Amino acid sequence: NAGVTQTPKFQVLKTGQSMTLQCAQDMNHEYMSWYRQDPGMGLRLIHYSVGAGITDQGEVPNGYNVSRSTTEDFPLRLLSAAPSQTSVYFCASRPNSGGYNEQFFGPGTRLTVL
Amino acid sequence: KNQVEQSPQSLIILEGKNCTLQCNYTVSPFSNLRWYKQDTGRGPVSLTIMTFSENTKSNGRYTATLDADTKQSSLHITASQLSDSASYICVVGAGDQFYFGTGTSLTVIP
Repeated sequence: NAGVTQTPKFQVLKTGQSMTLQCAQDMNHEYMSWYRQDPGMGLRLIHYSVGAGITDQGEVPNGYNVSRSTTEDFPLRLLSAAPSQTSVYFCASRPNSGGYNEQFFGPGTRLTVL
Repeated sequence: KNQVEQSPQSLIILEGKNCTLQCNYTVSPFSNLRWYKQDTGRGPVSLTIMTFSENTKSNGRYTATLDADTKQSSLHITASQLSDSASYICVVGAGDQFYFGTGTSLTVIP
């Protein structure tokens, strides 16, 4: 199993550009989520999905869109990039929404917005 | 307010020595507490998960303790190795939500 994979690993954007961060998992997990990690702050939840076709907002959803057309994939779209979105983005998955489940993280995408 | 605080913020120890990292939380209702290890440039990897009824959990040289009464947890690392250099993150679960600490950055030097 590859686990949780993310592409790209690094990305530089100009203000106003759009892009999609890719996330895929091969563990047949129902629950997937996107976090951002900023210096001096804990990971913050952007969006999550409890299954294909179902998504919901997390703590910091503004400026981001998600969709979940398949169990495996959960892309994160930046609509119009802003310098405040410079961060490291992690995708994670777990079997279901049960709180005790093991959560697996991808390797991260480091995004810089100029 | 649900918060997770970790101390110290950073720590430097000699290879072979032991160390203890602290986590205090005010999350309610409490479901579980996790410790993650995050190597530089990588995603967090789970070390331990503890529920309300568990007060100790080990994973090799890592031992986590939980005192649900005082809302404190610690992660003890025994006989540290250079590969233990990483950030250690405490995460408290409340239902299906997670609250993340800011991490303790550990550096092990030869």
